[in-house]
Amino acid sequence: GAVVSQHPSWVICKSGTSVKIECRSLDFQATTMFWYRQFPKQSLMLMATSNEGSKATYEQGVEKDKFLINHASLTLSTLTVTSAHPEDSSFYICSARPPVGEYSNQPQHFGDGTRLSIL
Amino acid sequence: RKEVEQDPGPFNVPEGATVAFNCTYSNSASQSFFWYRQDCRKEPKLLMSVYSSGNEDGRFTAQLNRASQYISLLIRDSKLSDSATYLCVVFSNYQLIWGAGTKLIIKP
Repeated sequence: GAVVSQHPSWVICKSGTSVKIECRSLDFQATTMFWYRQFPKQSLMLMATSNEGSKATYEQGVEKDKFLINHASLTLSTLTVTSAHPEDSSFYICSARPPVGEYSNQPQHFGDGTRLSIL
Repeated sequence: RKEVEQDPGPFNVPEGATVAFNCTYSNSASQSFFWYRQDCRKEPKLLMSVYSSGNEDGRFTAQLNRASQYISLLIRDSKLSDSATYLCVVFSNYQLIWGAGTKLIIKP
């Protein structure tokens, strides 16, 4: 079945560093990808919807200058956390919308997630 | 009122027992419904879609009640490996709306 690869799986870095997370759809083209954040014991929170070839749509309260999203190709979306601070430490998960016709069976294919720890 | 609500639990259940939990949604025009399972700090994995007529997959049964706007998940003969957080997901207004999840702990 369709697979989404997310990299890196774990990042530990100093405060002020910018961190880039990649999300790739391996065997299908994904015009739409999603970025979620999940704090401990909380639900997934949608941060933004990434559309290939156009600007991402950010959810209310998510700073677009802080969380830069680039969806330059049909198989790759990147999330860059700029000047990360300890409060940005979280579990970031990407997902991709599958091809038309498969949606009812599997609405989204998820990456494995990236655990970000800012010291 | 949240768009999708779930009892956060945890539900502590002995191995072999049957457990059920519900999820309510606020938008009566919601179109599709799903149950996902999430293990600690892992990505969610689709457990099953929920169809209008109800559907069963092994020990798992999902049902939809449109009149009362809730979906349910029933797990029979629970196993230790069923311990996880179960997330209810509703497709509404062209968006997936996630519940906060119900934590299930199966005890030996």
